[in-house]
Amino acid sequence: QKEVEQNSGPLSVPEGAIASLNCTYSDRGSQSFFWYRQYSGKSPELIMFIYSNGDKEDGRFTAQLNKASQYVSLLIRDSQPSDSATYLCAVRGTGNQFYFGTGTSLTVIP
Amino acid sequence: SAVISQKPSRDICQRGTSLTIQCQVDSQVTMMFWYRQQPGQSLTLIATANQGSEATYESGFVIDKFPISRPNLTFSTLTVSNMSPEDSSIYLCSVEGDSGGQPQHFGDGTRLSIL
Repeated sequence: QKEVEQNSGPLSVPEGAIASLNCTYSDRGSQSFFWYRQYSGKSPELIMFIYSNGDKEDGRFTAQLNKASQYVSLLIRDSQPSDSATYLCAVRGTGNQFYFGTGTSLTVIP
Repeated sequence: SAVISQKPSRDICQRGTSLTIQCQVDSQVTMMFWYRQQPGQSLTLIATANQGSEATYESGFVIDKFPISRPNLTFSTLTVSNMSPEDSSIYLCSVEGDSGGQPQHFGDGTRLSIL
């Protein structure tokens, strides 16, 4: 079982819609959760982090965490073509090691 | 967040040769990490480099193939030795803050192609 699992996609949404990206993790003691965006040919860029159960909003991005279900999600409202990228979920486990998911490819269709 | 400069940004090398990738950070950090990202794949951790100690390598990676230096708190190098086409990949360095639970931040990466 992988430490962090994501649906690889590709996920396609029309411009202006909500994109929903999901991630599950196996280490129940994990405390820190991160979302990175990676454009093709570029390095990963941190866009959100969340430490507590519930929602955390930053502009058009909302991270949601449910530790009981070991589930993290990222919502992108009013999706734009510039949001087209691969989104990586990362989790810091109880041993302080960083685990990355395989990423979900998102395409926003104009 | 820290500014991370990685050099070279890309290179094309002959098989059997070695290349050293440099990673410079604009602030002192305890932990630096080296990752590999093969085409269409996610990130694979090669090793963790802490200043003043030997790098810690992940399963499948060995020091003879990927020697790492960490001479101070702002700099590290990764050497890819005796390269083969299978080493064609993007190599990324990252750092994380010294406070607990901090995210990692990445350099721009080195795109390496082996002929």
